[in-house]
Amino acid sequence: EVQLVESGGGLVQPGESLRLSCAASKFTFNIYWMDWVRQAPGQGLVWVSRINSDGSSINYADSVKGRFTISRDNAKNTLYLQMDSLRVDDTAVYSCVRGGLPNAYDIWGQGTMVTVSS
Amino acid sequence: QSALTQPPSASGSPGQSVTISCTGTSSDVGGYNYVSWYQQYPGKAPKLMIYEVNKRPSGVPDRFSGSKSGHTASLTVSGLQAEDEADYYCGSYGGSNNYVFGTGTKVTVL
Repeated sequence: EVQLVESGGGLVQPGESLRLSCAASKFTFNIYWMDWVRQAPGQGLVWVSRINSDGSSINYADSVKGRFTISRDNAKNTLYLQMDSLRVDDTAVYSCVRGGLPNAYDIWGQGTMVTVSS
Repeated sequence: QSALTQPPSASGSPGQSVTISCTGTSSDVGGYNYVSWYQQYPGKAPKLMIYEVNKRPSGVPDRFSGSKSGHTASLTVSGLQAEDEADYYCGSYGGSNNYVFGTGTKVTVL
């Protein structure tokens, strides 16, 4: 079964860092662009970042630009999100998603919870 | 990168139709035919229902249809069923490899 599995979430204090991972399986990871999407508790979906298939093109939402870094290791079929200078309003479930169709996400991970609180 | 505007809620009786709007700008919905719709049950990952305005991925019932006029896209669910009760989010390419989601609509089957 095609699958995305996130890990690395947890409870941190404001200003601290976390690194999320997303392991892809049962599909050819290196041909797809991948994104991170987050959803705060009880709130809507918010796009966070995008990386193309070979990592040469990267984009961020204004709210995380300069603090978050997306990357990928195609040899390990893994997507990453390095999150620095975390803020309380970064608290959310972070999901990795596959861009399997033109600007649409056809595969979603279950997400990993990030809680930023003092 | 402002969220696309959706009504907070929509409802209909079984067998009826419900239509959800998604309003953006010329920089997103109005500028590209890359509008998609996602269905999300509580505690679950979203599921792609419509992409490129009106295309259905394999396995999505044809009761779900999409359209767009100007800066507003719409999702119509025909022949409403109890299992259609969920949150629905639109999404659109926003140019420069950015993406934007809608505010979400809770659909209730009466």
